[in-house]
Amino acid sequence: QSALTQPASVSGSPGQSITISCTGTSSDVGGYNYVSWYQQHPGKAPKLIIFDVSNWPSGVSNRFSGSKSGNTASLTISGLQAEDEADYYCGSYTSSSSLVYFFGTGTKVTVL
Amino acid sequence: EVKLVESGGGLVQPGGSLRLSCRISGFTFSSYWMSWVRQAPGKGLEGVANIRQDGSQKKYVDSVKGRFTISRDNTKNTLSLQMNSLRAEDTAVYYCAREGSDGSGYYVDFWGQGTLVTVSS
Repeated sequence: QSALTQPASVSGSPGQSITISCTGTSSDVGGYNYVSWYQQHPGKAPKLIIFDVSNWPSGVSNRFSGSKSGNTASLTISGLQAEDEADYYCGSYTSSSSLVYFFGTGTKVTVL
Repeated sequence: EVKLVESGGGLVQPGGSLRLSCRISGFTFSSYWMSWVRQAPGKGLEGVANIRQDGSQKKYVDSVKGRFTISRDNTKNTLSLQMNSLRAEDTAVYYCAREGSDGSGYYVDFWGQGTLVTVSS
């Protein structure tokens, strides 16, 4: 497995809540509480928004929340805003010696 | 304020070499694992290499082993990536990144703005 599996796209209207899934295996997502989430606007560097499954870095809105069940992690964006339109990537610690970081395939969030 | 500023990207022919640098400020460089993460045009993120605080441990993704070398100079607050035998598939934006935990491969908490490497004849 070269990347964690995410849906290609998710959309929602302003004010709604959306959830992005991130599916791995027991060697990564399911085996450790080290899931992270990143937001990336076009032409910009990624920005950390969740670490260790459900923790917020300083300055990140609590409209973003993370959770995990088994081999699947989830990012929920509540009160969707136009500025939330971006690409979102999950990441996980992995026991694989072939990888430096293990990222997801990425999800494009569209605010309708 | 944490700052990571990459330089050294550009156009290079297949088989050529390039050296990327990242100048760090705003935090104690010698206290953190550091990494290079790349993103091919229109594609996702890929961790390329990372290095322990004192340079004693280095890790590489399989696709660059034997071709890329990560290094750091804690006296100059500089992270480097020497890239040899470049291939078309190495074309990407390369980000300098700070590991957010005490270990390796957990998460990146700060990213540079990226530098574009294009491998083409």
